Amino acid sequence: QKEVEQDPGPLSVPEGAIVSLNCTYSNSAFQYFMWYRQYSRKGPELLMYTYSSGNKEDGRFTAQVDKSSKYISLFIRDSQPSDSATYLCAMTRTGFQKLVFGTGTRLLVSP
Amino acid sequence: NAGVMQNPRHLVRRRGQEARLRCSPMKGHSHVYWYRQLPEEGLKFMVYLQKENIIDESGMPKERFSAEFPKEGPSILRIQQVVRGDSAAYFCASSPPDNEQFFGPGTRLTVL
Repeated sequence: QKEVEQDPGPLSVPEGAIVSLNCTYSNSAFQYFMWYRQYSRKGPELLMYTYSSGNKEDGRFTAQVDKSSKYISLFIRDSQPSDSATYLCAMTRTGFQKLVFGTGTRLLVSP
Repeated sequence: NAGVMQNPRHLVRRRGQEARLRCSPMKGHSHVYWYRQLPEEGLKFMVYLQKENIIDESGMPKERFSAEFPKEGPSILRIQQVVRGDSAAYFCASSPPDNEQFFGPGTRLTVL
């Protein structure tokens, strides 16, 4: 069993839709949870991170962590074609070291 | 402030040759991480280095792979006697101590 599971997609939505991306994990020691966006042939860029359980909002993006269920989510409101990319969840036990990534979900937002 | 630089961006090697991948961290960043991304898979941690020290190499294959981050110059990931299974995208990230990792554009290694 992988430490972090993520549906690879692709997930296709029309412009303006609300997108829900999710990961589950097995290691209860994970404390820091991140979401990265990766465009084709580029390096990942950090979108958001949260520590422990709870919600965090940044513009059109909301990250949720439910440690009791070992489940994290990223919501994108009013999705745009420019949001089309692969979204990777990542997590660590301590700080920002040694990130453990999911496989990524490919998102396609059509105009 | 330039981002993380990696070169070459694309590298082609024949089986048995050596591959050297370079990573120049962002200015002021003393921590470097290497990750490997195989097709249809997420990034896998390989090694974490600080200047002149390997902090965590738990993700590095035991043979043929080595990494360094010298006092001067870029970090180097070295793969000796490459095999077809080494074909992947290799990403470097840098950070200040215990802070967000910034990723480079990656080096795509193809082994013929």
